[in-house]
Amino acid sequence: AQTVTQSQPEMSVQEAETVTLSCTYDTSENNYYLFWYKQPPSRQMILVIRQEAYKQQNATENRFSVNFQKAAKSFSLKISDSQLGDTAMYFCALASGGSQGNLIFGKGTKLSVKP
Amino acid sequence: GAGVSQSPSNKVTEKGKDVELRCDPISGHTALYWYRQSLGQGLEFLIYFQGNSAPDKSGLPSDRFSAERTGGSVSTLTIQRTQQEDSAVYLCASSWGSGTYEQYFGPGTRLTVT
Repeated sequence: AQTVTQSQPEMSVQEAETVTLSCTYDTSENNYYLFWYKQPPSRQMILVIRQEAYKQQNATENRFSVNFQKAAKSFSLKISDSQLGDTAMYFCALASGGSQGNLIFGKGTKLSVKP
Repeated sequence: GAGVSQSPSNKVTEKGKDVELRCDPISGHTALYWYRQSLGQGLEFLIYFQGNSAPDKSGLPSDRFSAERTGGSVSTLTIQRTQQEDSAVYLCASSWGSGTYEQYFGPGTRLTVT
């Protein structure tokens, strides 16, 4: 069975500072994809960043970057220069490549950015 | 272009009633997913449609849940004889294809069973 674990239910960070959200996962697949989704109070799930397991280079999207440690099955999200609009629930998710691609989600981390 | 839309936004129903939740995916997206988000269980996969293929119903929690997708576009999730434990936010997502493609989510339907 595939699992995703987020061990930080809540985190807070001061505006303009950097924060790292943790995620570990378990899968027996060799071909899989990892995602970070953001869910603000509006409920709309928004893709923040994705990582293909076969790529060694860590994905980056503007202020968002990941630290993908395949052997340790770890996939953390770093948010630099935090902004008030980053306040949201963040979900780590896993999808198997070659399958229908349904996402396996972690329980989420509630991030609060304080002014 | 237009994103994934869902209706209604909120639904309150009495225990034992049937409900229908609707999802309009992004035009051209062949894959469509339903998820349920509840406080106790987090986000759970329910069902997956890909083109004209038979749906993957492996995530449906009971036979009270069913879904269809007409013409490869709009999807309806039906819950019969609702129970209080069905109270949750039901999210729909669509993508260009299965597997690696980014899933675009709708705003969800909050279902409350009283």
